[in-house]
Amino acid sequence: QSALTQPASVSGSPGQSITISCTGTRSDIGSFNRVSWYQHHPGKAPKVLIYDASERPSGVSIRFSGSKSVNTASLTISGLQADDEADYYCCSYAGASTLVFGGGTKLTVL
Amino acid sequence: QVQLVQSGAEVKKPGSSVKVSCKASGGTFSNYAFNWVRQAPGQGLEWVGAVVPLFGTSTLAETFQDRVTISADESTSTSYMELNRLTSEDTAMYYCARETLVPEAGDLLIQSWFFDYWGQGTLVTVSS
Repeated sequence: QSALTQPASVSGSPGQSITISCTGTRSDIGSFNRVSWYQHHPGKAPKVLIYDASERPSGVSIRFSGSKSVNTASLTISGLQADDEADYYCCSYAGASTLVFGGGTKLTVL
Repeated sequence: QVQLVQSGAEVKKPGSSVKVSCKASGGTFSNYAFNWVRQAPGQGLEWVGAVVPLFGTSTLAETFQDRVTISADESTSTSYMELNRLTSEDTAMYYCARETLVPEAGDLLIQSWFFDYWGQGTLVTVSS
């Protein structure tokens, strides 16, 4: 199972919105709605932001939103804040009780 | 309060094995699956596999099929990941991550396929 494809880096200024894409295949993202997104600050444990492609767990800011179209999932962060600077990973169910992560995207808040 | 507390850092020789533990608290152990995820230095997250105590099943990523065993001990609310035949490429931070089982079609519980809580990570260093 190959890793999902994410841009290596994205950047934005405080207050702006950014979108991170996550491209898979019809064997993973294209076949299942089980896409999740995680924020990972170095040295800390990752934190779930989105599950089931667009659902937000309680306690996660409404500034984080997710969507999916065909084989690509997207995470949008609106109203960028300095603390949003982190690595972001998508993850998809890939059938046969397996999961696959994306390669990760480093977000820089300018 | 949910906590996943992992065992401490390990330094191992190439060819040896390591067993990392993850003790869960703050919920009914059988209501969850326990996944293992690793991150090598400078690399991204990689799913290793999972165990579902309620179903008595475990699944591994293809990369780890012949080298990893993931298990769970309900009596101590602890999940374990054992990695054999270590090489320098196994040097990484290993995380356990909890996945809540959710109801579908009445009483049937299924995996939710996302991680709501993570352990603090265990650094495994493989060096001669």
